[in-house]
Amino acid sequence: NAGVTQTPKFRVLKTGQSMTLLCAQDMNHEYMYWYRQDPGMGLRLIHYSVGEGTTAKGEVPDGYNVSRLKKQNFLLGLESAAPSQTSVYFCASSQGLAAYNEQFFGPGTRLTVL
Amino acid sequence: AQKITQTQPGMFVQEKEAVTLDCTYDTSDPSYGLFWYKQPSSGEMIFLIYQGSYDQQNATEGRYSLNFQKARKSANLVISASQLGDSAMYFCAMREGRANSKLTFGKGITLSVRP
Repeated sequence: NAGVTQTPKFRVLKTGQSMTLLCAQDMNHEYMYWYRQDPGMGLRLIHYSVGEGTTAKGEVPDGYNVSRLKKQNFLLGLESAAPSQTSVYFCASSQGLAAYNEQFFGPGTRLTVL
Repeated sequence: AQKITQTQPGMFVQEKEAVTLDCTYDTSDPSYGLFWYKQPSSGEMIFLIYQGSYDQQNATEGRYSLNFQKARKSANLVISASQLGDSAMYFCAMREGRANSKLTFGKGITLSVRP
């Protein structure tokens, strides 16, 4: 099993450009998450999904959109990239929402917006 | 209000010695889970250990143990017999038991193991 995979691993955008980050998991998990990690800030939740066809806002959702058309995939979109969106983006998935459910993380995508 | 607090500056430990990384948390939910993740310089997030709020004993996973003091709301990670490969950033995280609760991370602690 590959676990959680993310594409691309690195990307450089110009301000105003758009892009989509793809997250895929092969563990049949219901729940998927997108985080961003900035220096000194830890990980902050952008959006999450509790099942196919559902999405919800997290802590820092502005400037991002998401879609979960298939259970195994969770897409993060930036419609008009801004330098403030330069960050490392992590996708994660979990079997459930109970307190004990571990989240499994992808390897991350390093995005730079010039 | 900050739910997870990791205030230690960069930590240093001599190889083969033990080190404690501090984490305090804040919640009014009686059901919650506490997690520690390791992030080496390569960037991936590696799950280390989990402690549930109702667990009677402190969690242990190999060289990792969690010193859980519920009344003080602390969940410190203890790494025994440090190895050079333990040099990394360590994150404490909490998940509350109510539905749709997210995982909240602390800001992390950098650990450097000296040979």
